[in-house]
Amino acid sequence: AQSVTQLDSHVSVSEGTPVLLRCNYSSSYSPSLFWYVQHPNKGLQLLLKYTSAATLVKGINGFEAEFKKSETSFHLTKPSAHMSDAAEYFCVVTGGSQGNLIFGKGTKLSVKP
Amino acid sequence: KAGVTQTPRYLIKTRGQQVTLSCSPISGHRSVSWYQQTPGQGLQFLFEYFSETQRNKGNFPGRFSGRQFSNSRSEMNVSTLELGDSALYLCASRPPQVSGANVLTFGAGSRLTVL
Repeated sequence: AQSVTQLDSHVSVSEGTPVLLRCNYSSSYSPSLFWYVQHPNKGLQLLLKYTSAATLVKGINGFEAEFKKSETSFHLTKPSAHMSDAAEYFCVVTGGSQGNLIFGKGTKLSVKP
Repeated sequence: KAGVTQTPRYLIKTRGQQVTLSCSPISGHRSVSWYQQTPGQGLQFLFEYFSETQRNKGNFPGRFSGRQFSNSRSEMNVSTLELGDSALYLCASRPPQVSGANVLTFGAGSRLTVL
């Protein structure tokens, strides 16, 4: 069965410092992986996706993630945090045979001035 | 083009009542999925509809139901509301399989409070 684990429920960084949000996955086949972001009182927005092409995936707003099969990880990074990055981030893996998505519990990112 | 539109955005109901939520997908998207988001359980898959047929269903009781119309608009209904049904209900649509498999576009959600 497919599953995803976000290792931190809350991450706090200072503006201008790097961001690292960790995600491990479990999948019985080659998965598709996504990162979504949710700002307060908003829906979810796709940041980036991995679908078995390049292992380093670049997304919007300067975010990127690297697919590491040996570590079953798909960590999200950004070189320099901005105040507008404060939000909740969800790591997502494709699920069952019908392709429904399985979401991690989310990581809340706080950015201090 | 217009995004995924959910109505109403906020609503308050009392236990035992029922509620209907509406979702209009992006034009050209025929697949609509519904998710429940709560602080305790996170995001959980409810069901997916494609061409008016339920294609997949999550692990929710029969009080949760949905349907899709010929114009791809979808509704979900929750009957006999319980306090635990208080949540943000998110709808998402996705394009035809060949052009962007599994990439969901979400609406802003309908926040249901059950008193």
